Amino acid sequence: ETGVTQTPRHLVMGMTNKKSLKCEQHLGHNAMYWYKQSAKKPLELMFVYSLEERVENNSVPSRFSPECPNSSHLFLHLHTLQPEDSALYLCASSQERSGSYGYTFGSGTRLTVV
Amino acid sequence: LAKTTQPISMDSYEGQEVNITCSHNNIATNDYITWYQQFPSQGPRFIIQGYKTKVTNEVASLFIPADRKSSTLSLPRVSLSDTAVYYCLVGAPGGATNKLIFGTGTLLAVQP
Repeated sequence: ETGVTQTPRHLVMGMTNKKSLKCEQHLGHNAMYWYKQSAKKPLELMFVYSLEERVENNSVPSRFSPECPNSSHLFLHLHTLQPEDSALYLCASSQERSGSYGYTFGSGTRLTVV
Repeated sequence: LAKTTQPISMDSYEGQEVNITCSHNNIATNDYITWYQQFPSQGPRFIIQGYKTKVTNEVASLFIPADRKSSTLSLPRVSLSDTAVYYCLVGAPGGATNKLIFGTGTLLAVQP
């Protein structure tokens, strides 16, 4: 257990479904991140939240909607996804927004869109 | 933006020392160098971080020459369980949030 908990670990959803991924950290970190990792590709930074404010949105399609209600919780709301959105979605946290002191990652949610 | 370059893959045998080198020619004065390890279907795990010279912890050593344009992650006596992808990242506290970019990393394959 890394201190960053992601649920669910696995998710299969249809293209018309709506689902949410959850991330929780109690490390006292001030920044949280969503990354996407497709098969045989580098990690792609999707969103960055610092002190509950979104500070980065790397041209992510609107079918992905993040929410950060407090510094310990981060959600990724999913709707009308496409098969190419199937990937490992990783949540991370760090002491400060640049992550330069090190990220702590969760174990990820393996998402399959059918 | 400090881009990093690593070998795509390396092979080793159990019990050997493995050295993975990362090039970061455009490293800035305030940048730190951080290495991560990732197993399949898991998130990357922080291994070690340094700014200059040598850093050692219970898992690995990090060697950084005086010009800081490269760094070498040293794994002593690897085992099969060290088979993973290793990433080198460069970035500064308070810096741009998108500066810490994970490249393709180095796939280390340890054989018996």
